[in-house]
Amino acid sequence: KNQVEQSPQSLIILEGKNCTLQCNYTVSPFSNLRWYKQDTGRGPVSLTIMTFSENTKSNGRYTATLDADTKQSSLHITASQLSDSASYICVVSDRGSTLGRLYFGRGTQLTVWP
Amino acid sequence: EADIYQTPRYLVIGTGKKITLECSQTMGHDKMYWYQQDPGMELHLIHYSYGVNSTEKGDLSSESTVSRIRTEHFPLTLESARPSHTSQYLCASSDPGTGGVDTDTQYFGPGTRLTVL
Repeated sequence: KNQVEQSPQSLIILEGKNCTLQCNYTVSPFSNLRWYKQDTGRGPVSLTIMTFSENTKSNGRYTATLDADTKQSSLHITASQLSDSASYICVVSDRGSTLGRLYFGRGTQLTVWP
Repeated sequence: EADIYQTPRYLVIGTGKKITLECSQTMGHDKMYWYQQDPGMELHLIHYSYGVNSTEKGDLSSESTVSRIRTEHFPLTLESARPSHTSQYLCASSDPGTGGVDTDTQYFGPGTRLTVL
């Protein structure tokens, strides 16, 4: 069964600290993996996208890694800010359809305290 | 910031009412989607469209219907709302990206929070 599991479910850190969020997936065949940031009451916004051949991609203070062999990804946030408080969603797309079927994780709720 | 809009942002209605959730995008995207999301849970695809006059049901069974008469507009309708329809509804559209279909990026609207009493 194609699934996307994220950990931890929630995380609280102090402003300025770093953190790493995890994503494990069983989706096959694999096409790409995305990390989205969803602020409370808003729609998700794309942070990074990685295909099979990419193992790291950065977007400012966000760095995503991908190990396609172990089917694991991580999102590292450096020097956290209060505005980083949000849900971070891992989304995996399979290959084999024009639509590119998307499998969503439940997200990690990150809270950054001053 | 993506140019995709949803109205209303919040809606509280009584059981049995007919409602339409509006979604529009000004990016000229052919593909559009409707997702349902409950608190702390993953997004579930309920409808999608490849373009004008194309609509398909998603993975999650839904009593709602959609239409795609214009590229920019993808409304979702519930003929008779029930408390089980209480949820957040997110509309999205996607472009093919520079890498082809493998790098489609979905742009989401702000969502409509629906409460059926």
